[in-house]
Amino acid sequence: SQTIHQWPATLVQPVGSPLSLECTVEGTSNPNLYWYRQAAGRGLQLLFYSVGIGQISSEVPQNLSASRPQDRQFILSSKKLLLSDSGFYLCAGAYTSDTKQFFGPGTRLTVL
Amino acid sequence: GESVGLHLPTLSVQEGDNSIINCAYSNSASDYFIWYKQESGKGPQFIIDIRSNMDKRQGQRVTVLLNKTVKHLSLQIAATQPGDSAVYFCAGGTYNTGKLIFGQGTTLQVKP
Repeated sequence: SQTIHQWPATLVQPVGSPLSLECTVEGTSNPNLYWYRQAAGRGLQLLFYSVGIGQISSEVPQNLSASRPQDRQFILSSKKLLLSDSGFYLCAGAYTSDTKQFFGPGTRLTVL
Repeated sequence: GESVGLHLPTLSVQEGDNSIINCAYSNSASDYFIWYKQESGKGPQFIIDIRSNMDKRQGQRVTVLLNKTVKHLSLQIAATQPGDSAVYFCAGGTYNTGKLIFGQGTTLQVKP
């Protein structure tokens, strides 16, 4: 079975500081990987998805970027955080032959 | 644009009763739909999925119904238990990218 790891679990950062959130996958090779953001009391908004190493598709224009340096590693970054970047960030993975996405535990980011 | 939405933000049921959570979608191009359960502070957990060429699918204590004529999806939970209390999301997806579009969520409250 597939397991998604994310860290840190919580993060408090000042406005203008950089960001790096990491997601790693166990139990599958060549997964599709996804980054979502969830505002309080809201649904999930897809930010980026990747079908392979170095392949990143951005869904919405924003202050964030993503990279996939290894098959099972997906990184979400920002050079300068904004207050509006606060939220719950979720990484998800899926077998390329399957539709079900499995989610990690999430990172709660607060930008002050 | 495409969207997936929920009819009600909160549903309160008595323990032991059946629960029905509804979802409407606007994009007929979705190839499948998924229901997720999200407990507070955690990542979404897969419950059940259904392909767009199906009308009904059953799992353990859960049934998903799809009415393509009116673009409506429902999740039925039998004999609702306190552990079922959570936010439930429907999501529509396409096979080519595996991208999901999530609704806003319905909070299910189970009264003992």
